[in-house]
Amino acid sequence: GNSVTQMEGPVTLSEEAFLTINCTYTATGYPSLFWYVQYPGEGLQLLLKATKADDKGSNKGFEATYRKETTSFHLEKGSVQVSDSAVYFCALSAFGGGADGLTFGKGTHLIIQP
Amino acid sequence: DTGVSQDPRHKITKRGQNVTFRCDPISEHNRLYWYRQTLGQGPEFLTYFQNEAQLEKSRLLSDRFSAERPKGSFSTLEIQRTEQGDSAMYLCASSLDGQLNSPLHFGNGTRLTVT
Repeated sequence: GNSVTQMEGPVTLSEEAFLTINCTYTATGYPSLFWYVQYPGEGLQLLLKATKADDKGSNKGFEATYRKETTSFHLEKGSVQVSDSAVYFCALSAFGGGADGLTFGKGTHLIIQP
Repeated sequence: DTGVSQDPRHKITKRGQNVTFRCDPISEHNRLYWYRQTLGQGPEFLTYFQNEAQLEKSRLLSDRFSAERPKGSFSTLEIQRTEQGDSAMYLCASSLDGQLNSPLHFGNGTRLTVT
């Protein structure tokens, strides 16, 4: 079956530090990959996506590249801000299973200290 | 953009009772999804609708769970004979089209506590 594994949190960084949150996946076929973010007290929001191998998704300074050879979609940001503190979820959507539902990782809680 | 609205925000119920949650999607969105999220886990897909048609329901957790979207607008998720293991956040999401073409917009969820 489909699954997503992401690094355990919480991840605590100082402002302006470099961020990497690792995400690897297992899927049949060729999934699309997503990062969602959940800020405190808010619903999940799409942060970025990539639909095929070697695509790079980017938004708000965050980037992730779809690496088929390593089945990975790591999230990166060059200089984090306190406002980036949130829970980040890696997810995949694999058609062919017919469910059209996203499979999420467990989430990584990111804490940015001033 | 009024966003996806879920009601109630919190529900506390006793074991064995039935509960019903409501989701109002973004008005022009054709697809509506239900997910469940337990503490420390990512959302778990339950079911989805294309307009009023329920296209996938095999992921519903048991036959105590059912969902409807009778007029292709709002949806309800019902849990009958609740159990303590049903305690979780229930999330609704909607999208204009399939997920590759349009992102899911999530509501803030309904938190269920079964005592």
